[in-house]
Amino acid sequence: DVKVTQSSRYLVKRTGEKVFLECVQDMDHENMFWYRQDPGLGLRLIYFSYDVKMKEKGDIPEGYSVSREKKERFSLILESASTNQTSMYLCASSLSGVYQPQHFGDGTRLSIL
Amino acid sequence: AQSVAQPEDQVNVAEGNPLTVKCTYSVSGNPYLFWYVQYPNRGLQFLLKYITGDNLVKGSYGFEAEFNKSQTSFHLKKPSALVSDSALYFCAVRDTTDSWGKLQFGAGTQVVVTP
Repeated sequence: DVKVTQSSRYLVKRTGEKVFLECVQDMDHENMFWYRQDPGLGLRLIYFSYDVKMKEKGDIPEGYSVSREKKERFSLILESASTNQTSMYLCASSLSGVYQPQHFGDGTRLSIL
Repeated sequence: AQSVAQPEDQVNVAEGNPLTVKCTYSVSGNPYLFWYVQYPNRGLQFLLKYITGDNLVKGSYGFEAEFNKSQTSFHLKKPSALVSDSALYFCAVRDTTDSWGKLQFGAGTQVVVTP
């Protein structure tokens, strides 16, 4: 089975801090994704990556950046955390190919105080 | 642009009764359609997908979904619901004309199965 591991289940940070969320997958997937999940809004794509060092903006990239230095690892960075970034963050990976399903980690619930 | 609508925030069903979770979509080209389930404090789990071919797709845990092109719908069904099916269900669509193949998710439908 595919394993997508997010480094923290719960995280509490302060406004203005730089926050790193880490994600690792063990199935040699080409594609990796970061979403945020908010009640009533479903999942919204922040950034995705289709190869090492490659990244593309999703629907809500403002206030975020990403890094993919190795194929198995995809990091989400909140440059200067704000309270409106309090949310559940989900990482996913998939093989290349538009019909391939995405496999998700268990999420990081991030609170910005 | 692609979009997905799940018209019901919550579906309540008694154990043993049929379960239906509705989904309609809008795409420019042809759709790839997916259903995911999310249990409390967990990530999303893939249930099934429609790519092409037979309109009735069978997936994990006894779930199936019916693709209806004329109604642009992809409803999730289970003939006999279990209490353990209580979870949050997401429909997602990918437009075949989108070169990046980004998924668009619906807002989710909470399913509550009562004993």
